[in-house]
Amino acid sequence: DQQVKQNSPSLSVQEGRISILNCDYTNSMFDYFLWYKKYPAEGPTFLISISSIKDKNEDGRFTVFLNKSAKHLSLHIVPSQPGDSAVYFCAASAKGNFNKFYFGSGTKLNVKP
Amino acid sequence: KAGVTQTPRYLIKTRGQQVTLSCSPISGHRSVSWYQQTPGQGLQFLFEYFSETQRNKGNFPGRFSGRQFSNSRSEMNVSTLELGDSALYLCASSLNGLAGRADTQYFGPGTRLTVL
Repeated sequence: DQQVKQNSPSLSVQEGRISILNCDYTNSMFDYFLWYKKYPAEGPTFLISISSIKDKNEDGRFTVFLNKSAKHLSLHIVPSQPGDSAVYFCAASAKGNFNKFYFGSGTKLNVKP
Repeated sequence: KAGVTQTPRYLIKTRGQQVTLSCSPISGHRSVSWYQQTPGQGLQFLFEYFSETQRNKGNFPGRFSGRQFSNSRSEMNVSTLELGDSALYLCASSLNGLAGRADTQYFGPGTRLTVL
């Protein structure tokens, strides 16, 4: 049972434009969300987090939006750079579950120069 | 601060053998979680240790086990290896997880296990 879904396996964006990566979840108990970037043969690198008490969190070029009613979150990268090309994962944890995270299947972002 | 380290980075075993993987968390981090990544199933949670106690477990068979030492280093063991255990095993550490709340997890580079 996939509780966290990333329905777009891939996304291609021109350098300098906005990249929007989407993530949907089914468990209403999820209250903490993370985004990671991953290169082949490496571990995921933490990008940004958001708690369910917020609907937006920004860190430099990265902004995460959370829509609790729609059970949807998105990661915006502005402006996109070729070095952003990687696989992006969203992850969610439920109240009371400490650090047990459920991961989406990932979206491969390609930023074209 | 040094990041999460995992050893070994690569491992080849045969079916029926057992294997032990090691993870050293970021200094000061007390929570260590283990994940399995495969092309078909993505990243799946195995278990989490905090203060030498397992406080979370995923849906994996009993062949997968782990432990944590007093210095927060953790080991994961897989017994009676099967071909399907071939995967990238990732370890992640967190500062803490108080009152049931999650904390940002920082991942190591992983151990690539191949079972022949």
